[in-house]
Amino acid sequence: AQSVSQHNHHVILSEAASLELGCNYSYGGTVNLFWYVQYPGQHLQLLLKYFSGDPLVKGIKGFEAEFIKSKFSFNLRKPSVQWSDTAEYFCAVNANSGGGADGLTFGKGTHLIIQP
Amino acid sequence: SQTIHQWPATLVQPVGSPLSLECTVEGTSNPNLYWYRQAAGRGLQLLFYSVGIGQISSEVPQNLSASRPQDRQFILSSKKLLLSDSGFYLCAWSVPRTGGGQPQHFGDGTRLSIL
Repeated sequence: AQSVSQHNHHVILSEAASLELGCNYSYGGTVNLFWYVQYPGQHLQLLLKYFSGDPLVKGIKGFEAEFIKSKFSFNLRKPSVQWSDTAEYFCAVNANSGGGADGLTFGKGTHLIIQP
Repeated sequence: SQTIHQWPATLVQPVGSPLSLECTVEGTSNPNLYWYRQAAGRGLQLLFYSVGIGQISSEVPQNLSASRPQDRQFILSSKKLLLSDSGFYLCAWSVPRTGGGQPQHFGDGTRLSIL
């Protein structure tokens, strides 16, 4: 079974600061990796995903994440955060199998607060 | 475009009462459907998933059950709720593809409080 660990539960940054949220997973096989975001009062939305190919993936709103297979990591980054990035961020993984119906295993989330 | 609806948004139920949460998806056919729960201080946990009508897979043993009576309808039920069933329940759907790599799209969730 997979497990996902997000290193920081609460992060507070000032606007224009750089962001990196850590995510490590454990699984013996090939995985698909996701970052989801939940803005206040809104539903979970996909930020970016990695299936294969270039390990550096770019998502919406200037976010990117790098898959480092040797470290079992998929850290989320943004060079300059904005107040509107205040949200809960979830890292998730599922097995890259032939079933096509694998549910996601989520980390506990990181609550990001951006101070103006 | 595809949409997903969950209801109710909030629910307060006494211990021992039954439960029925409904989720419907529009704009797609034969989706994979999922139920997740987020308990206080914990991440989202997969409860059930379904690849088709009448096909339910359970991920964790619990007091809950799921059913899929129609292609785009997914129901979460309980005969007798426990205090530990309190939490935030999310329904999600994805396009069925091999590799499990399709992103899942989430509903707005139901906040369930058991008294």
